[in-house]
Amino acid sequence: DAKTTQPNSMESNEEEPVHLPCNHSTISGTDYIHWYRQLPSQGPEYVIHGLTSNVNNRMASLAIAEDRKSSTLILHRATLRDAAVYYCILRDYGGSQGNLIFGKGTKLSVKP
Amino acid sequence: SAVISQKPSRDICQRGTSLTIQCQVDSQVTMMFWYRQQPGQSLTLIATANQGSEATYESGFVIDKFPISRPNLTFSTLTVSNMSPEDSSIYLCSVAGTSGGGAGYNEQFFGPGTRLTVL
Repeated sequence: DAKTTQPNSMESNEEEPVHLPCNHSTISGTDYIHWYRQLPSQGPEYVIHGLTSNVNNRMASLAIAEDRKSSTLILHRATLRDAAVYYCILRDYGGSQGNLIFGKGTKLSVKP
Repeated sequence: SAVISQKPSRDICQRGTSLTIQCQVDSQVTMMFWYRQQPGQSLTLIATANQGSEATYESGFVIDKFPISRPNLTFSTLTVSNMSPEDSSIYLCSVAGTSGGGAGYNEQFFGPGTRLTVL
C-alpha cells in the first residue's frame, strides 16, 4: 500500500470548519482513499472514503485533488466530540477484504 | 454493520504469565484482524485470522508469542504469551463488513480494545 503523510496535530475552535490534509504522492490508480478516526479510549471508526470524485456523507466531506496526490477531510462544524486522531489510509479496492494499514495520523484538538 | 465486544476490557498481569483476549462479533465474518496499539502510537497489525485455517502473521509477530484461535465465524481469541513489560499495549480486534460506506464497501469495524499492563 502507498504511503500517506499527515500533520502530527491540528487545532480547531468549536463550530468552525476543519480541513485535515493528507499527501499521497505515490498513490496508484486502484487505490481508494479512506479516512478513519479514533476517539479517545475507543477503537477506530470509519469516516469516509473515495476514489476520484469529492464525497459527502453525514460525518464529513472528502475533497480529492485532480491528480489524486493529495486529499482533504473536511469537518464542516467541529464539535468537542470530533477531537480524535484522524487517519488517512490508502487501500487497493481490489483487495477489499484486506486489512487497513495505519500511519501516525493527525491528532485534532477542538477548543470550546 | 458489525458490533464487536472484547474481554477483558483491561488487565494488569505479571511478567512471564499469559493472557487470552476474547473477541465476539454479532454477525458472521470471514476475516478477523488483531492489532496492537502501543502507548501513544498508531495501530500495528499482528495477524489475520480466517475461520478454519492458520492465522497469517505480520513481520515481527510469531505464533509462539501470539497464538490465535478462530473456532467459528463470530469468535476469535488472541493469547499474549510469556508477557514482558514491552507487551503493555491496547489490543484491538477488527472485522471487515459491508456498511453504509457504499455498495459493497468493506468497512473495517473495531472492538473497544483490551488495555494490557504488564508489571
